[in-house]
Amino acid sequence: NAGVTQTPKFRVLKTGQSMTLLCAQDMNHEYMYWYRQDPGMGLRLIHYSVGEGTTAKGEVPDGYNVSRLKKQNFLLGLESAAPSQTSVYFCASSYNLGTDFGNTIYFGEGSWLTVV
Amino acid sequence: AQSVTQPDIHITVSEGASLELRCNYSYGATPYLFWYVQSPGQGLQLLLKYFSGDTLVQGIKGFEAEFKRSQSSFNLRKPSVHWSDAAEYFCAVGAVGGNKLVFGAGTILRVKS
Repeated sequence: NAGVTQTPKFRVLKTGQSMTLLCAQDMNHEYMYWYRQDPGMGLRLIHYSVGEGTTAKGEVPDGYNVSRLKKQNFLLGLESAAPSQTSVYFCASSYNLGTDFGNTIYFGEGSWLTVV
Repeated sequence: AQSVTQPDIHITVSEGASLELRCNYSYGATPYLFWYVQSPGQGLQLLLKYFSGDTLVQGIKGFEAEFKRSQSSFNLRKPSVHWSDAAEYFCAVGAVGGNKLVFGAGTILRVKS
């Protein structure tokens, strides 16, 4: 089982460049999430999606855009990268989180992004 | 809105000693509560979760956690720590009927031999 797969795993960008992180899940989950992890701050939610074609803002959405054109994929875009976006990015997915049945989030292995 | 506090940034314990990692949450109703572990360079692995029923929950790798509503806490415990338990631990809270988790800042566990 692949679970949640993120690509690329590592990337170095120059300030102002754009890039897209791809997240794919093979568990037929409705919910998908993008988090960023920074030292001493835990994981903070950037954007999330509760189904194909839907997206919503999380805690720290500025500077990022997302798309969920297919149920299994959730893309995170940086249109003009800034050094403050240097971070580790985690994608995650779940069934309907708000129910007993679906309340486990599965994480990808992370994408390390450095903006210089 | 829910929030999570992990008061200890770093904890060091000796191998074989007992461990307790603290987690306090803020939420107006019954929450879903989780503990995740992250080894260096890795993703997050679910240790255990609570959503109803018995307030003492058992997880993987010999971990357990106790939900105490009166103290708004969900502390993680292990009776005897192994060197392989060295990692960062995250507590998270979700709202019943909600659609996202909120994470604490994490506690880094060091195990000394």
